Amino acid sequence: NAGVTQTPKFQVLKTGQSMTLQCAQDMNHEYMSWYRQDPGMGLRLIHYSVGAGITDQGEVPNGYNVSRSTTEDFPLRLLSAAPSQTSVYFCASSLYGGEGEKLFFGSGTQLSVL
Amino acid sequence: AQTVTQSQPEMSVQEAETVTLSCTYDTSESDYYLFWYKQPPSRQMILVIRQEAYKQQNATENRFSVNFQKAAKSFSLKISDSQLGDAAMYFCAYRLRGFKTIFGAGTRLFVKA
Repeated sequence: NAGVTQTPKFQVLKTGQSMTLQCAQDMNHEYMSWYRQDPGMGLRLIHYSVGAGITDQGEVPNGYNVSRSTTEDFPLRLLSAAPSQTSVYFCASSLYGGEGEKLFFGSGTQLSVL
Repeated sequence: AQTVTQSQPEMSVQEAETVTLSCTYDTSESDYYLFWYKQPPSRQMILVIRQEAYKQQNATENRFSVNFQKAAKSFSLKISDSQLGDAAMYFCAYRLRGFKTIFGAGTRLFVKA
């Protein structure tokens, strides 16, 4: 059972470049989300999805796009990377009601924007 | 909007001693979950303990227990018999049932041998 798979683990971008962080889960979780982690600020919610075809903004959505075409996948797109987007990114998923709605996390992506 | 506040950026404890990490939250809802997650240097996020708001009894998991004060909107984590492996970042989190999860800024716990 793979759980939540995030790729890549590390990425360096130049300002203005675009990229997609991939997230896939094989647990049939309805809920998926993206967080960024910065020192002293904890995990801040970027976007989340409550099911295929449904997405919504979190606390810090600017500069990021998401889509949810399948239950399994929830990619995060940076359209024009900026140094302020240097961070560690986590994808997380959960069931509704099941397992007390605890989050299952991917292993994280360390992103540096130069 | 819901918020989660962890007022202690860093805490330190002697091995085998007890430490309490503080967390307060703000919500107007009545049906929600509260969590403590641990993040060791490996960056992996690990669930430590979970509390359902409608349950009055405080949750416990081995050496970890919580003091849940619903009226005060307080959710502290007590670690007993601290071990070197407990050294990590600890995040308090709030989740309205069936909705998004909001995290606090975290508390870094140091354990002294």
